[in-house]
Amino acid sequence: QQPVQSPQAVILREGEDAVINCSSSKALYSVHWYRQKHGEAPIFLMILLKGGEQKGHDKISASFNEKKQQSSLYLTASQLSYSGTYFCGTETAATDSWGKLQFGAGTQVVVTP
Amino acid sequence: DSGVTQTPKHLITATGQRVTLRCSPRSGDLSVYWYQQSLDQGLQFLIQYYNGEERAKGNILERFSAQQFPDLHSELNLSSLELGDSALYFCASSLTGAKNIQYFGAGTRLSVL
Repeated sequence: QQPVQSPQAVILREGEDAVINCSSSKALYSVHWYRQKHGEAPIFLMILLKGGEQKGHDKISASFNEKKQQSSLYLTASQLSYSGTYFCGTETAATDSWGKLQFGAGTQVVVTP
Repeated sequence: DSGVTQTPKHLITATGQRVTLRCSPRSGDLSVYWYQQSLDQGLQFLIQYYNGEERAKGNILERFSAQQFPDLHSELNLSSLELGDSALYFCASSLTGAKNIQYFGAGTRLSVL
């Protein structure tokens, strides 16, 4: 089942912060975050495994609450290059789902000067 | 460059025709995944192969089929094409393990006229 992402879109000025949420109704093994520019390939940002770890990539970080089956992506002090559509991909704990990712509908982020 | 190669970059064809999309995974990756992305939509998982064997299936139509060859490259065959099949088709590959990170190719844009 597809995870639910919110918000659908967000417009930021350079330097502002934003949070993108991803939630699932299934027990999760991992959450993957990607950014996609229009018409291009999704670019891997980070992976979070169950255990509630928080990871960072430059000024983009994420957390994973496995009890709530939720992950959040934090864009801090946003830069113009952060513009794009952000997708979360979830991998469930079911053995027959191992390796398979279900992607959310995406959150469009626009960073303006 | 993710190291995943997809050909061709663009395909324009007519309804009812059949096309083949090709994907070469990153060196060493055993898993290949196919995704469909319709205009401004999310990534829909189609199918996964691992070391030549089908591993998982998503919402793949019966008109679509795929295979992974001994050299690990994969082909996605789309037949009896309809207008609604127009989309970006992405291939991703992963090493497959505890951190199953998928790296995406640049995609094949299919236009069915």
